[in-house]
Amino acid sequence: GAGVSQSPRYKVAKRGQDVALRCDPISGHVSLFWYQQALGQGPEFLTYFQNEAQLDKSGLPSDRFFAERPEGSVSTLKIQRTQQEDSAVYLCASSLDRDTEAFFGQGTRLTVV
Amino acid sequence: QQQVKQSPQSLIVQKGGISIINCAYENTAFDYFPWYQQFPGKGPALLIAIRPDVSEKKEGRFTISFNKSAKQFSLHIMDSQPGDSATYFCAASRGNNNDMRFGAGTRLTVKP
Repeated sequence: GAGVSQSPRYKVAKRGQDVALRCDPISGHVSLFWYQQALGQGPEFLTYFQNEAQLDKSGLPSDRFFAERPEGSVSTLKIQRTQQEDSAVYLCASSLDRDTEAFFGQGTRLTVV
Repeated sequence: QQQVKQSPQSLIVQKGGISIINCAYENTAFDYFPWYQQFPGKGPALLIAIRPDVSEKKEGRFTISFNKSAKQFSLHIMDSQPGDSATYFCAASRGNNNDMRFGAGTRLTVKP
């Protein structure tokens, strides 16, 4: 596709369950970002990849959150032992390089019950 | 924790009017200030951005005004249209996309 693709669009998880959220960036985009957007709030930075290297993970809220991009394209955000406070929309964005416009996907809405 | 403060939280404007949204930041290391537009169920989309070396940037009906000394910047939407109804986010970062900090958003409604 032409844009950033995220799957699933919606995910309902029981508290304590592990989840994996997928991001397919625009082909050829080197930089990839993950954001968490709580209801009624702006996105909050989680982590940044340049190719397969995770250069910044300062925004990950706890060690239950883990992101990877092993081949420098598709990325997965994994949340272990989900908690209710993890309920949010998780947005992925990619850009050609660090200094050009970042394009966002539609997000994955995670609801932890 | 939001490092960029945005106001108002919501805004209602008549068609043809001017919409004004304001943002303030604290970190003087920020050097890139974009505005994003988000429709329900969609991801944010870049609308317009400015760097601190200029005080104003205009693209069509959208203008950013930037006050470096006050650490404030604002978005002006001229001749607002119902199709502009969306949530608008200001943001700030060091070096374009790096660790971008978003405001809490402004829900704009343009009445026909």
